[in-house]
Amino acid sequence: KQEVTQIPAALSVPEGENLVLNCSFTDSAIYNLQWFRQDPGKGLTSLLLIQSSQREQTSGRLNASLDKSSGRSTLYIAASQPGDSATYLCAVMDSNYQLIWGAGTKLIIKP
Amino acid sequence: NAGVTQTPKFRVLKTGQSMTLLCAQDMNHEYMYWYRQDPGMGLRLIHYSVGEGTTAKGEVPDGYNVSRLKKQNFLLGLESAAPSQTSVYFCASRLTWPRGSNQPQHFGDGTRLSIL
Repeated sequence: KQEVTQIPAALSVPEGENLVLNCSFTDSAIYNLQWFRQDPGKGLTSLLLIQSSQREQTSGRLNASLDKSSGRSTLYIAASQPGDSATYLCAVMDSNYQLIWGAGTKLIIKP
Repeated sequence: NAGVTQTPKFRVLKTGQSMTLLCAQDMNHEYMYWYRQDPGMGLRLIHYSVGEGTTAKGEVPDGYNVSRLKKQNFLLGLESAAPSQTSVYFCASRLTWPRGSNQPQHFGDGTRLSIL
């Protein structure tokens, strides 16, 4: 059974720092890996989607990598800003086309 | 463009009561999903639909029923609410074209449901 783990559960860093969020999964048979952002009291917003054949995707200050063989993905945030404060979730699409979710990393950027 | 709209946003029920959560999307998406989110856990899929008139069970379907009579609407019903169903419920939808399974899901803002 696919399991997705995100470490750490919470992270607090000063504004301006570059940071990395981690996501690991147990079964490498995935169609894609997705990173989402969730703001308090809100739904989830898709940030990046990496197809199984890809190694990374970039959007602005965000860069996500995928290493299927090791079951790992990282989300790199450059020059963090207070507006980046949110919970970041990763999910993998398994062989049944269902998304399996991590519990998320709560990120706080201190001004 | 409203995207995915969930109603109601909040609800408190007593054990044994029934209710229906409504999800509406205006993006002509084929696939629709109902998830629940509990503290310290990832989202878990309750039911989903791949098109009008179709529904299928997800990971945690017990105690819930769904219907998709119109393409834009996906209803989640609780027949006899239990305290274990206290959660935040999210609806999502996605296209299947042009990138098939590589289309991202679009989420509503959630329904916060408490069962006393």
